[in-house]
Amino acid sequence: NAGVTQTPKFRILKIGQSMTLQCTQDMNHNYMYWYRQDPGMGLKLIYYSVGAGITDKGEVPNGYNVSRSTTEDFPLRLELAAPSQTSVYFCASSFGQGGETQYFGPGTRLLVL
Amino acid sequence: KQEVTQIPAALSVPEGENLVLNCSFTDSAIYNLQWFRQDPGKGLTSLLLIQSSQREQTSGRLNASLDKSSGRSTLYIAASQPGDSATYLCAAPISGGYNKLIFGAGTRLAVHP
Repeated sequence: NAGVTQTPKFRILKIGQSMTLQCTQDMNHNYMYWYRQDPGMGLKLIYYSVGAGITDKGEVPNGYNVSRSTTEDFPLRLELAAPSQTSVYFCASSFGQGGETQYFGPGTRLLVL
Repeated sequence: KQEVTQIPAALSVPEGENLVLNCSFTDSAIYNLQWFRQDPGKGLTSLLLIQSSQREQTSGRLNASLDKSSGRSTLYIAASQPGDSATYLCAAPISGGYNKLIFGAGTRLAVHP
């Protein structure tokens, strides 16, 4: 059981480039989440999904897109990278919405120059 | 709108001390509150999840309490050890369900021998 895995671990992007952050979970969880964490701050919710084909915006969705075609995968897409998107991105999953704990991946560190 | 605040922002103590980390939240209509640990460069690990019907949860040397009426939770660490050095984050759910979380900025703990 690998839990939640994220790739890549680190990436440098130039302004205006695009990339996809990958997230996969093998716990058969229905709910998946993307957060970003800026230095010295807590995590902020970008997007979440309650099942395959169902996604919705969180607190800070601008500049990002998501899709959920399978239960296991929840990729996060950055279309036109900006310096403000320099952050550490965490993917998380939970079984449902009944107050279960969320399980987090190791994070992707993104630097936009 | 849910807001989560943690004090102190940083704490440095000698090994063996008993510690109290504080978390406050503005929307008391929560169904749970979670405490996480984050090691440098790593993802988050769930420590304790307190349901709204509970007043406290214990795991080993950790004890977390929840007082919804005052909008406060505390994490008590007994007999601190250098291995406890990490950032501790509390998170409360956003109203509207789906287990979406609002995080505090964390307390950075250093326990020195």
